[in-house]
Amino acid sequence: QVQLVQSGDEVKKPGASVKVACKASGYSFTSYATSWVRQAPGHGLEWMGWINNNNGDTSYAQRFQGRVTMTTDTPTRTVFLELRSLRSDDTAVYYCARTLDAFDIWGQGTMVTVSP
Amino acid sequence: QTVVTQEPSLSVSPGGTVTLTCGLTSASISTSYHPSWYQQTPGQAPRTLFYSTNIRSSGVPDRFSVSFLGNKAALTITGAQAEDESDYFCVLFLDGGTWVFGGGTKLTVL
Repeated sequence: QVQLVQSGDEVKKPGASVKVACKASGYSFTSYATSWVRQAPGHGLEWMGWINNNNGDTSYAQRFQGRVTMTTDTPTRTVFLELRSLRSDDTAVYYCARTLDAFDIWGQGTMVTVSP
Repeated sequence: QTVVTQEPSLSVSPGGTVTLTCGLTSASISTSYHPSWYQQTPGQAPRTLFYSTNIRSSGVPDRFSVSFLGNKAALTITGAQAEDESDYFCVLFLDGGTWVFGGGTKLTVL
């Protein structure tokens, strides 16, 4: 079936980097884009950016530019989110979502905890 | 900075009707903003309710509907049930190819 399966939870120290994976199955991978959305504890959803699974073009939310990179590996149908220079306020659940003109399929979420 | 607005909280009685709205501080909402709606219960990933403005996701009950109300997008629940108690988020597609979520509406059914 159509699904996105994300990599496991991470614990990182401030200043470190994290790379989260999102593996797609059940649909034509290159016909869609993938967005990353995060949710800090007790807060709402925040769109971080998206990547065109076909050509790798990206668009990032302004507040993450310079600190985030999204990439794809088409043979494994996997999308990656890398966030650098982590701070305590990056502690959140990170979701990937299949994107065309909305987010129609979601991954299960990856908890990233940033703690000294 | 463009802000997407939603009611922070609403309540509805079981069997009642409630409308949640999604607006922009700077413009009227239209189909060009591709409004979509998501439901989220604590500890769960969001569930897509409607996308491409008005396409219902598989499995979403008929009591959920979407429309435009004045200059806003709207999600209406007709005949609310206890299991509809959740957080609801809208998201809009803005110029420059970016998406912005509203702050979410916490819906209480009581």
